[in-house]
Amino acid sequence: NAGVTQTPKFRVLKTGQSMTLLCAQDMNHEYMYWYRQDPGMGLRLIHYSVGEGTTAKGEVPDGYNVSRLKKQNFLLGLESAAPSQTSVYFCASRFEGGYNEQFFGPGTRLTVL
Amino acid sequence: QKEVEQDPGPLSVPEGAIVSLNCTYSNSAFQYFMWYRQYSRKGPELLMYTYSSGNKEDGRFTAQVDKSSKYISLFIRDSQPSDSATYLCAMTGRGGAQKLVFGQGTRLTINP
Repeated sequence: NAGVTQTPKFRVLKTGQSMTLLCAQDMNHEYMYWYRQDPGMGLRLIHYSVGEGTTAKGEVPDGYNVSRLKKQNFLLGLESAAPSQTSVYFCASRFEGGYNEQFFGPGTRLTVL
Repeated sequence: QKEVEQDPGPLSVPEGAIVSLNCTYSNSAFQYFMWYRQYSRKGPELLMYTYSSGNKEDGRFTAQVDKSSKYISLFIRDSQPSDSATYLCAMTGRGGAQKLVFGQGTRLTINP
């Protein structure tokens, strides 16, 4: 049982390049989330999904797109990377209903030059 | 004004000290209050969770919520060097996707 995994762990991009971050969970969770963490800012929600085939915008969605084609995977895309997207990205997942703990992945460190 | 405010520290205390970490918030709809611990270069892990007002204790950790003051606290007794981490408060309302709103995080160092 690997929990929540993220690929890649590190990445350096040049401005304007594109990339996709992959989040995978093996806990059969319905809900999945993408956050970014910047110094002094805590974690901010980018996009989230309440089930396979659904996505919704969070607090800071501009410049990102997401897809949830399979229940266990949640992809975060950057179509044209900008230096302002340099950050650590975390994926999380949880069961639906009531309050349930969000389980976080180990993070992806992205630098955009 | 941020929805959730947390003193970012850093906070440095000697081993064995009692540590108090705090957050204030502005949204009265928040019902669930959490403390996450994040070690360096790792993902956050849930440490404590409280529903509505009151206290919750788990070993050396106590979480307090005062909804009338919109103020939450985490106390660590007999602090250990292994408690050195960043502590993030988070909160959310009932229903829906339960989107968490995080504080900025407080970096804590326990000195042996």
